Amino acid sequence: QSALTQPASVSGSPGQSITVSCTGTSDDIGSYDLVSWYQQHPGRSPRLMIYDVTERPSGVSNRFSGSKSGNTASLTISGLQAEDEADYFCCSYAYGRTFPYVFGTGTKVTVL
Amino acid sequence: QVQLVESGGGLVKPGGSLRLSCAASGFTFSDYYMGWIRQAPGKGLEWVAYISHTTGAMYYGDSVRGRFTISRDNIKNSLHLHMDRLRAGDTAVYYCARPSLSRSSSSWSHWGQGVLVTVSS
Repeated sequence: QSALTQPASVSGSPGQSITVSCTGTSDDIGSYDLVSWYQQHPGRSPRLMIYDVTERPSGVSNRFSGSKSGNTASLTISGLQAEDEADYFCCSYAYGRTFPYVFGTGTKVTVL
Repeated sequence: QVQLVESGGGLVKPGGSLRLSCAASGFTFSDYYMGWIRQAPGKGLEWVAYISHTTGAMYYGDSVRGRFTISRDNIKNSLHLHMDRLRAGDTAVYYCARPSLSRSSSSWSHWGQGVLVTVSS
């Protein structure tokens, strides 16, 4: 199944805001509010950061926020901190595919 | 607290078989979908399979369908993945995962530590 498209890398300085995009189609992101975002530090298991496009699980900093416009979902990290340096993956429900969900290609966020 | 502990990984030759297990605790296992997600070395996340907690319906990723079988034991609170006809491309860390919400499979909030499967001659 084709993955959702994310930029390979995004960087920012401490305190800045950055946005990671996740582009799909009208059969996934464009039609369903079932987008989630995962953070993964090297050698660690993924951690859920955002679900249902905009919702934040308990314990996740409010510096992380999600949004969607058309076929593209976005994860914004405000007040960037060194600990935010990690890989980020989006995931969306995908109607009509042989498997109901699809991950994004992943984005490496670097704090300069 | 929720705990997911995988076991059963290791080195296997191409064409061989392996069975992964995930011991779950800290929640009502029978209330949740459960799934397996893998990550090849240096690569992204890839869906392997997930299974319904009520109907037992199973969903498989394209690259494993017909070779892997997911199953669960709601009495023993365990999840399994039987992998047949393994290929080099199946080499990855395999994560056991649980969704955020019961009766939903759209976001996965709890992950095990992962178990490495290496397929090589």
